[in-house]
Amino acid sequence: DAKTTQPPSMDCAEGRAANLPCNHSTISGNEYVYWYRQIHSQGPQYIIHGLKNNETNEMASLIITEDRKSSTLILPHATLRDTAVYYCIVRVPLGNAGNMLTFGGGTRLMVKP
Amino acid sequence: EPEVTQTPSHQVTQMGQEVILRCVPISNHLYFYWYRQILGQKVEFLVSFYNNEISEKSEIFDDQFSVERPDGSNFTLKIRSTKLEDSAMYFCASSREHNSPLHFGNGTRLTVT
Repeated sequence: DAKTTQPPSMDCAEGRAANLPCNHSTISGNEYVYWYRQIHSQGPQYIIHGLKNNETNEMASLIITEDRKSSTLILPHATLRDTAVYYCIVRVPLGNAGNMLTFGGGTRLMVKP
Repeated sequence: EPEVTQTPSHQVTQMGQEVILRCVPISNHLYFYWYRQILGQKVEFLVSFYNNEISEKSEIFDDQFSVERPDGSNFTLKIRSTKLEDSAMYFCASSREHNSPLHFGNGTRLTVT
């Protein structure tokens, strides 16, 4: 799986958009970009994933650059409950192995009032 | 919304004892996983399970560990003879397809004394 690089921490004001960057310059053509988050010591929570196109769901938007070497997760209106560690993971789902994910250090997002 | 449930939430055991951590994956999911997170460290993959057999495992998943799906709903992780360094949060996850996002439970905190 391609390596990802994320800033260790970021702050965001409540109500503003949080833009979390991720570099994955060695990504290959069939690798997906996944975003998960972990609030305190809870289990990781799936947010969104994409291959080439930008994606949006009720939680967030995912913007993938045209060359796919980087992506940005956007939380459009951050709330205090969005304070968490956010993980960007690049992965090729491999048949029977399922969707095994390798978690890095992530970005610790602190949403402040 | 269906969720992955894990029991117990906290397990304390003495070194050398056997422990079984239990998980009920989402009912129509086919792929099952165990991860662990030692306090302050990254989330680490242990094992994936599909079609009643292990499909992939990490170096951490040695002979002291085993997994089982004893019936149609439960998925268990057994540690045969616990060590102090097995103290961690253990997360179960499941996915519907091999390329579907993982859904995680909220974990079992294992403390080995």
